[in-house]
Amino acid sequence: AQKITQTQPGMFVQEKEAVTLDCTYDTSDPSYGLFWYKQPSSGEMIFLIYQGSYDQQNATEGRYSLNFQKARKSANLVISASQLGDSAMYFCAMREGPGNEKLTFGTGTRLTIIP
Amino acid sequence: ETGVTQTPRHLVMGMTNKKSLKCEQHLGHNAMYWYKQSAKKPLELMFVYSLEERVENNSVPSRFSPECPNSSHLFLHLHTLQPEDSALYLCASSQGTGTSGAYTYEQYFGPGTRLTVT
Repeated sequence: AQKITQTQPGMFVQEKEAVTLDCTYDTSDPSYGLFWYKQPSSGEMIFLIYQGSYDQQNATEGRYSLNFQKARKSANLVISASQLGDSAMYFCAMREGPGNEKLTFGTGTRLTIIP
Repeated sequence: ETGVTQTPRHLVMGMTNKKSLKCEQHLGHNAMYWYKQSAKKPLELMFVYSLEERVENNSVPSRFSPECPNSSHLFLHLHTLQPEDSALYLCASSQGTGTSGAYTYEQYFGPGTRLTVT
């Protein structure tokens, strides 16, 4: 079974609108961390935001926020007031518990911002 | 230089060649990683080093040989590769690794080496 599922292969959004990128995950470990990365066409993976499984509040970093719904095993990324520079691939990833080196990535969503 | 750097950015090699990829991190981190990113596939973890000691080898073929001489440098030595090894190879570093209990630490990535095996 897929550990991380991103169901939107591509999205087109008008500039200045908000956008939600979906991510669901599968784990039986009570301790885990969820990450979102952005990969522009240059190839570099840029860390955006982190949510821990025990965090009580949704994570926020500037225009990025994470809509964490633990019971539904969902960790959607919300980008407010989208900009042209937000066009990129976005990856959701998970690390399960201490002692596990593996950061498991989803297949990504290609976001295109339309002027 | 800041962050994580990788050289070369592009590499074309024949199946009988030997080449090396280099990664350097300027963040003072103690863990480094190699990932493989193939088209239309999720990023795959290859190797993890913590304090210059290899802590994970994710079932990678022996034609890929990592080396970590110190906490700032990581190499991936390549020999007798196959065309299916063509991919983007990404290096990353983090403040800690899962084995140290630091599973919350984010990883910082380099720009990658685009490898083509002919």
